[in-house]
Amino acid sequence: DTAVSQTPKYLVTQMGNDKSIKCEQNLGHDTMYWYKQDSKKFLKIMFSYNNKELIINETVPNRFSPKSPDKAHLNLHINSLELGDSAVYFCASSPVGGRLETQYFGPGTRLLVL
Amino acid sequence: KNEVEQSPQNLTAQEGEFITINCSYSVGISALHWLQQHPGGGIVSLFMLSSGKKKHGRLIATINIQEKHSSLHITASHPRDSAVYICAVLSGGSNYKLTFGKGTLLTVNP
Repeated sequence: DTAVSQTPKYLVTQMGNDKSIKCEQNLGHDTMYWYKQDSKKFLKIMFSYNNKELIINETVPNRFSPKSPDKAHLNLHINSLELGDSAVYFCASSPVGGRLETQYFGPGTRLLVL
Repeated sequence: KNEVEQSPQNLTAQEGEFITINCSYSVGISALHWLQQHPGGGIVSLFMLSSGKKKHGRLIATINIQEKHSSLHITASHPRDSAVYICAVLSGGSNYKLTFGKGTLLTVNP
């Protein structure tokens, strides 16, 4: 019974393609997040979603769009993939999304754009 | 200059040693997180602090809000503690933001 799961685990694709990464949490949490970890292992928050409302959107290109069909899912869609999008993407969730929450991370999706 | 600085960047220790990893930040914060990333890539949230000190097993995290500094201590270190330890601070007003340090790579040798 994995708390936060992501699919796929690995994704290799060509430049210019459109792809999606799925995230599901079975913790009943209200807030979900997407993070990007670059080749230097530097972790950066991309999005935060609380009750279907985007509450953080860092300086992320609009080719990236989070989609939340329900509270348990936050999928990441990426259009017109570029080489620089190659990274590990982590999904996370937290109970309420307030300022004092511990976050629970998924295992990551390794994206390689050729 | 990054808003969150960690030191050291790399740390090698012998099994049983006491480990300290430091995190300094330059902005006012609501809370600070310590995360652990295993060699396989998985990330675990270790602590969330807004003041004082927290302890979980052999791990201790402290924060000094006035000095804008936090430390993560590992007592009786073990090779399985080998990982990257990441500090992240939560700041901002109604639209808060989470800023990460670059991580400290800890290697504990048997």
